[in-house]
Parts: sequence; structure tokens; C-alpha cells
Amino acid sequence: DQQVKQNSPSLSVQEGRISILNCDYTNSMFDYFLWYKKYPAEGPTFLISISSIKDKNEDGRFTVFLNKSAKHLSLHIVPSQPGDSAVYFCAARGTRGGSNYKLTFGKGTLLTVNP
Amino acid sequence: DGGITQSPKYLFRKEGQNVTLSCEQNLNHDAMYWYRQDPGQGLRLIYYSQIVNDFQKGDIAEGYSVSREKKESFPLTVTSAQKNPTAFYLCASSPLAGKGSYEQYFGPGTRLTVT
Repeated sequence: DQQVKQNSPSLSVQEGRISILNCDYTNSMFDYFLWYKKYPAEGPTFLISISSIKDKNEDGRFTVFLNKSAKHLSLHIVPSQPGDSAVYFCAARGTRGGSNYKLTFGKGTLLTVNP
Repeated sequence: DGGITQSPKYLFRKEGQNVTLSCEQNLNHDAMYWYRQDPGQGLRLIYYSQIVNDFQKGDIAEGYSVSREKKESFPLTVTSAQKNPTAFYLCASSPLAGKGSYEQYFGPGTRLTVT
């Protein structure tokens, strides 16, 4: 049972345009959502996060939107740069008991930004 | 400077041998985690520990064992009972409370190949 879903395995955009990466979740107990960026053969690096009590969080070129009623979040990158090419993972944190600190990850979306 | 180290970067073993992957952090984080990544898959949680001398099974703990004798160290042993041990293994850590407690910080990973 996949609780965090990234339905697009890959996305290709032109440099300077907007990249939109999507993520859906099924568990209404998730209270915090995070996006990680990962290059091949490296560990993921934290990008941006959002609390479930908010609907938007912005950090420079990166904005995350949360639609709680639809259980959907998206990451917008504007403008996209070739260096943004990587796999992006959506992750969610639950609040149930001993699993407070566990993150559940989606399968990732490979973003390719073409010069 | 602070961070998480995993060694070695690449590891090769014969089938039937146990192998231990190292993970050390100097971030003074209480919680540590082990994940496994396979092609086309997200990060799947193997084990996690929130305090020294205590750890819990994640979603795919079978065939793995861990120890947490020191706050800084969380080694993972891949035993011969793990049916598909070839994968990219990632270690992470996080604070349990305070700023940034929702974010996990990842090491560079160890690529294990078992033949």
C-alpha cells in the first residue's frame, strides 16, 4: 500500500520554464511534507518542506503548494536550470505514536532540464 | 565540518557472506535511520533508532540487523538471509526536537553488490 505516490516517473522541461512536480498521499495523519533532491550515487538533500496547516511555502526559486482536501502537493521550480536535473522525492511525516519520526517516501520523479 | 559519513562508497561481497555498512554522524542528532534504494523505487526504511541502545524495525527489516551502542554510530549488517542484498544503502539522521526536527540529513550512500 503506497501511501505517498509520485505518478510521473520523469519530466522534461526547457531551461527558464517552470517545472511542476506532483505528489499525492493517502494517509490523512501526515502532518509535514518534504521534498528532497537526489543526484545519482549521492544521498538526497533536503530542498523545502511544508506543514499541513499551511498551503504554500516559498524559498527562492522553489515553491511547494499543499491542497489538503485533495491530499495533493506540488513543487514548482521557476525558472528551471540545467543544474536542477535530478530525481525529486516527495516525503511525508506521520504523527502516530512511535512512528513520529518516520518519513514515507514516494518513488521519485526524474527531472531533466534541457539547455 | 558536521555531517554523515558512510563507508565504503562501493562494496562487493560473495553470496552467503554477512557484510556490515558503516554510518557515523557528528551532528549530535538523536535519531538515525537506514534506507535502501532500488532502481525505480523510493527510499524504503530498514531500521531506525531514536536513542542509544534502542532501535525499531522499519518496513523491510528482514535479513538485516543493526546496533546503536554510541549516539554517533549506527552500523547496518546485511546478513546472508537477505534475499536481494544488492542495492544502494543510505543512512540518515535527524534531531528529535527543535528546529529542523522534521528533516532527515542523508549520508552519501554505499553501493553494495553481492554476487
